[in-house]
Amino acid sequence: GQSLEQPSEVTAVEGAIVQINCTYQTSGFYGLSWYQQHDGGAPTFLSYNALDGLEETGRFSSFLSRSDSYGYLLLQELQMKDSASYFCAVTANQAGTALIFGKGTTLSVSS
Amino acid sequence: DTAVSQTPKYLVTQMGNDKSIKCEQNLGHDTMYWYKQDSKKFLKIMFSYNNKELIINETVPNRFSPKSPDKAHLNLHINSLELGDSAVYFCASSHSGQGFTGELFFGEGSRLTVL
Repeated sequence: GQSLEQPSEVTAVEGAIVQINCTYQTSGFYGLSWYQQHDGGAPTFLSYNALDGLEETGRFSSFLSRSDSYGYLLLQELQMKDSASYFCAVTANQAGTALIFGKGTTLSVSS
Repeated sequence: DTAVSQTPKYLVTQMGNDKSIKCEQNLGHDTMYWYKQDSKKFLKIMFSYNNKELIINETVPNRFSPKSPDKAHLNLHINSLELGDSAVYFCASSHSGQGFTGELFFGEGSRLTVL
């Protein structure tokens, strides 16, 4: 079967740093993506790691360790607008036509 | 121009009815998906199509029938609606193969409520 585990909720204050972990067990693995979804909105893409290491995009960074079946999303200098749900997603086939999502982490940022 | 558009945005219907949701993308992508998001926000893949061919069909009841008339369209028809079908249905699209960058482009979602 396929399973992706991430914490259900995380809380933090403005200006802080938060790390959202994702561990996965899937029949195929070709990459790990992260998505953000605000209430009532659609998921939007944040980052993608196909290889081990850290990818940085502004205040957000994503890390992957394929040997540990583990990745994380790091959010720095948190702002109120970062309050949202964050999903990790595994690309489960080589063609990239099967993206399996985790259950999401709700991040609440307070002032 | 909206990249991935779904209609309708809201659907309220009675149990036992049949309904359809339409999706179109103007991004030139070759792969399209349907995801179901329930009240607990779990995003579950239902179907994926690549160049009009069905790739993924994830243990979805056969009351759900996707149809892809061309690469830019993927419609979802649901027969004999049940209460448990109430959810937000998201259409998405992406490149595949060497063009895949981990990014799906999602439509705004279609909120289905079955009474």
